[in-house]
Amino acid sequence: QSALTQPRSVSGSPGQSVTISCTGTNSDVGGYNYVSWFQHHPGKAPKLMIYDVNKRPSGVPERFSGSKSGNTASLTISGLQTEDEADYYCCSYAGSYTHWLFGGGTKLTVL
Amino acid sequence: QLQLQESGPGLVKPSETLSLTCVVSGASITSSGYCWAWIRLPPGKGLEWIGTICYSGNIYSVGSTFYNPSLKSRVTIFVDASKNQLSLQLSSVTAADMALYYCARRTDGTSEFGYWGQGALVTVSS
Repeated sequence: QSALTQPRSVSGSPGQSVTISCTGTNSDVGGYNYVSWFQHHPGKAPKLMIYDVNKRPSGVPERFSGSKSGNTASLTISGLQTEDEADYYCCSYAGSYTHWLFGGGTKLTVL
Repeated sequence: QLQLQESGPGLVKPSETLSLTCVVSGASITSSGYCWAWIRLPPGKGLEWIGTICYSGNIYSVGSTFYNPSLKSRVTIFVDASKNQLSLQLSSVTAADMALYYCARRTDGTSEFGYWGQGALVTVSS
């Protein structure tokens, strides 16, 4: 199966909101409520920001939220801060054969 | 505090076998209800799930393994419980296997990949 589709890049100014999309199929994103989002600063370990579509791990700011509609999941970051500038990856369960698919990553630039 | 640390040779020759280990501290690697994954990040590309070993609470603490279909014929993931260590072997490597390799823990039954190592960079070159 192909990777999930994410925009290559998004940008926003401090204080604004941005949404990153993650499009799959009804065999992965659309078929299960097992979508997660990771923030990755180069040279560091990826950090879980959202899991199971819309659950936030402890310590992750409420500015980060997740949702899903059909075959597309979304990560919304409100009140952008300069430290949010990073690469973001989505991930979805894709059934008992493929198991886990990741997106190609989205580079968020905070202008 | 759970910590994961990958290690292994940074350089592997084409056609040889890549071997990495991930030392886990702060929790038992055979604890029921958790899965341990290898995930890689090739340069300029997105993350790719390689495979997972899960412990679901059977009394023998035997892990169940699951592999990416595109890599299944070349991948082996196993645990050394005495060392609390996860291992990855990937055979017949090519330049396409060059990547930053991460180990991560996922809570079984969820998409909560909550803990990751810092990653180990693997270069494939003769």
